[in-house]
Amino acid sequence: NAGVTQTPKFQVLKTGQSMTLQCAQDMNHEYMSWYRQDPGMGLRLIHYSVGAGITDQGEVPNGYNVSRSTTEDFPLRLLSAAPSQTSVYFCASGRDPFGMAFFGQGTRLTVV
Amino acid sequence: DAKTTQPNSMESNEEEPVHLPCNHSTISGTDYIHWYRQLPSQGPEYVIHGLTSNVNNRMASLAIAEDRKSSTLILHRATLRDAAVYYCILRVDNYGGSQGNLIFGKGTKLSVKP
Repeated sequence: NAGVTQTPKFQVLKTGQSMTLQCAQDMNHEYMSWYRQDPGMGLRLIHYSVGAGITDQGEVPNGYNVSRSTTEDFPLRLLSAAPSQTSVYFCASGRDPFGMAFFGQGTRLTVV
Repeated sequence: DAKTTQPNSMESNEEEPVHLPCNHSTISGTDYIHWYRQLPSQGPEYVIHGLTSNVNNRMASLAIAEDRKSSTLILHRATLRDAAVYYCILRVDNYGGSQGNLIFGKGTKLSVKP
């Protein structure tokens, strides 16, 4: 099993550019979420989804959009990148919101 | 959200047991105690979780105090590969909403000496 796959692994953006971070899981999990991790910090929740067609905001949603058209995919969109969005982004999936979560390897994003 | 308190860092010698403490004095009856670890440059990895009883799996053991206000993650024989940041997290057994999401603190950075 591939588990949770994030692409790209690294990305450099200019301020104002837009991009989509991809996240795919092959475990048929209903629950997916996006986190960001800044240096020396724990992870903070951006958005999450409890199933296809259902998304909600987490702790730090500003500047990010998500959609969930299939069970497998949960892309994160940056509409207009800002230097404050420089971070490592992790996608996670789970069978339910309170059980074991599986994380991807992360996308390291730098906005210059 | 119920909070957890962990030491910032701990050191251990290779092949010795490691006891990582976590305080959660405001835990409620429906909060599960989860542990994740994050190796350098990797995503977090599930370690173990429990509600009231002590739990064991192939990676570690979780000892939960009788009043549930604290818990201890036990690595029985530390290896160099166990050097990571360990996060103690409370998750609500409640379908839907953000209450089930993982709320990460800064965790405990474990160093393992050969």
